Parts: sequence; structure tokens; C-alpha cells
Amino acid sequence: EAGVVQSPRYKIIEKKQPVAFWCNPISGHNTLYWYRQNLGQGPELLIRYENEEAVDDSQLPKDRFSAERLKGVDSTLKIQPAELGDSAVYLCASSTGTGGPGNTIYFGEGSWLTVV
Amino acid sequence: SQKIEQNSEALNIQEGKTATLTCNYTNYSPAYLQWYRQDPGRGPVFLLLIRENEKEKRKERLKVTFDTTLKQSLFHITASQPADSATYLCAPMDSSYKLIFGSGTRLLVRP
Repeated sequence: EAGVVQSPRYKIIEKKQPVAFWCNPISGHNTLYWYRQNLGQGPELLIRYENEEAVDDSQLPKDRFSAERLKGVDSTLKIQPAELGDSAVYLCASSTGTGGPGNTIYFGEGSWLTVV
Repeated sequence: SQKIEQNSEALNIQEGKTATLTCNYTNYSPAYLQWYRQDPGRGPVFLLLIRENEKEKRKERLKVTFDTTLKQSLFHITASQPADSATYLCAPMDSSYKLIFGSGTRLLVRP
């Protein structure tokens, strides 16, 4: 079975440019997460979806970040405009249920963003 | 604010020895605690979950303890192998199922 698929794997953009990341979760997983991981740090949750609904977006910088999960499957995370401090790995993850202790969270390989 | 502390210095041990990694948390009372493994350039991989009413959990060569009084979890790998070399992330989970990850500890197992 395919894992969580993310693209692009690597992206280098100039500051103030837009960028978008795409995620396809594991089939049947209704909960989808976007995390950001800075170098040497642990992942930080940006947004969590249960089906199409964003149930926790408290950590998403809404002035420049947006996310959508149409039809409750694939998801896109967008940054516009990008800033130097946005350079990080953007990880998508998915789980069954509500992501509680009985539902293992599976991560994708991540999208590496460098803003120059 | 909630704070998760893991040793930022790499742990360097000889193959066959037991590796012990520490996770301390403050301003927080997680109901569960998870440990993940992360290899360079890859996403984290779930290893073990322990509940607040469990003192210890084992899986093959892995053992996790959870001391809610000390606000600490210990992660042990017995009979360590070079293939165990990776970064290990501690992630307490609160009652709303929100995970907060520590910054991880890098483990290096020398052959």
C-alpha cells in the first residue's frame, strides 16, 4: 500500500514568490495534518483536517499561509508571499479516526523549501 | 507554555550496548506519550505509544517508561545496532489528541 505522497520533494524560490505543496494521504485516512519542521527541531502542527473540515488551524499563519482539502482526500498548502523564515520541511501526515492514541499517524517524506 | 526537552547532544554508543534517551516535559499533563524515529531526509515513523496509567511499554528491543510524577519518559534500545542510528523524537499527546514534538536526540551506534 502506498504511503503518504508529497510533492514537490524540493523547491527553491525567491522571497515574495508563491509556493504550493500537495499531499495525497493514505487511502481511507480521514484525518490529514500539515506540519512544519525547522532544522534541528521537531515538527510543529500547522493545520489538522478531519475529512474536509479544518478542526485545528490555530498555528497556521493565516496572513500568508492557506490550506485546503477538497473532497476530503488530497490537500494543498500554499504560502504567498514566501519569506526567508519559511525555509523548512513541510510534512504531510494522515491517520484514521480522529488521530487519537489508537490511530497511528503516518508521515510523508516532506517537501523541502528553501527561500532565497 | 508547554515545553518538551530532549537532549540536544548526540548520544554515541557502542554496538550491543543499551541506549537510553530522555524526554522531560513541563507545564503539561499529557495523557499519552509517543516516540518516533526520524532518519535524515525522511518523515518521522511511529514507534511506541504509552498511556499515563502505564508505567512501562515494550516492543521487541524497545522499552518506554512514563513517569507522570517526574514528568519524564525514558526510551531504551537494548542490544543496539548501527541500523538504530537515527534521531528519536518524543511527542506527548494531550487530551485533545494534539501532539507536541520535542526537538529530538540523535543516536549514533558505532560498530
